Amino acid sequence: DSGVTQTPKHLITATGQRVTLRCSPRSGDLSVYWYQQSLDQGLQFLIQYYNGEERAKGNILERFSAQQFPDLHSELNLSSLELGDSALYFCASSVERQISGNTIYFGEGSWLTVV
Amino acid sequence: KNEVEQSPQNLTAQEGEFITINCSYSVGISALHWLQQHPGGGIVSLFMLSSGKKKHGRLIATINIQEKHSSLHITASHPRDSAVYICAVSLNYGGSQGNLIFGKGTKLSVKP
Repeated sequence: DSGVTQTPKHLITATGQRVTLRCSPRSGDLSVYWYQQSLDQGLQFLIQYYNGEERAKGNILERFSAQQFPDLHSELNLSSLELGDSALYFCASSVERQISGNTIYFGEGSWLTVV
Repeated sequence: KNEVEQSPQNLTAQEGEFITINCSYSVGISALHWLQQHPGGGIVSLFMLSSGKKKHGRLIATINIQEKHSSLHITASHPRDSAVYICAVSLNYGGSQGNLIFGKGTKLSVKP
């Protein structure tokens, strides 16, 4: 158990809908990262938050947004969903604001299927 | 060309064999991570390396910064080692500290 909790574990929704994925980092970790894993693209970095503020941005679509709340949990919002958004979405956390030099802890992932 | 290349893509071994998975990268990095992804999907961080060698149980990871290459070795492999092993690098320039670039993974199957 990494200590990172993601909900829901599985989600099936229709095209055009909006979903919210939730992540609770390990106790004491200030950084939260979101990653997308799809069959064709593999794992890709989406966005990082550190102590409530956006820290780094990767290949995140404009239809996607995220935030980190004062209690450090984070939510990834996916809107106007398309079939191609079907993927496994991982949240990860680490203590520091820089991923280098720090072990990163992954949640179990949220499986999103868009039909 | 991908910035992080892994080989082999697939690997089948007999229980007890010594296994090596390779990772080459073409960018400047501050650290390299080896991850393990089990069939259920969960990812576990195995090692984080910026130089030299690390060992944990039957797993050994090495990195050669000059050659931009890392290897993950598994000694006395066991069927429970069957998983996808992913190499990922964190870049060393400003603004990118949150970004991991991932290899496509090596699928390892260890037969009893």
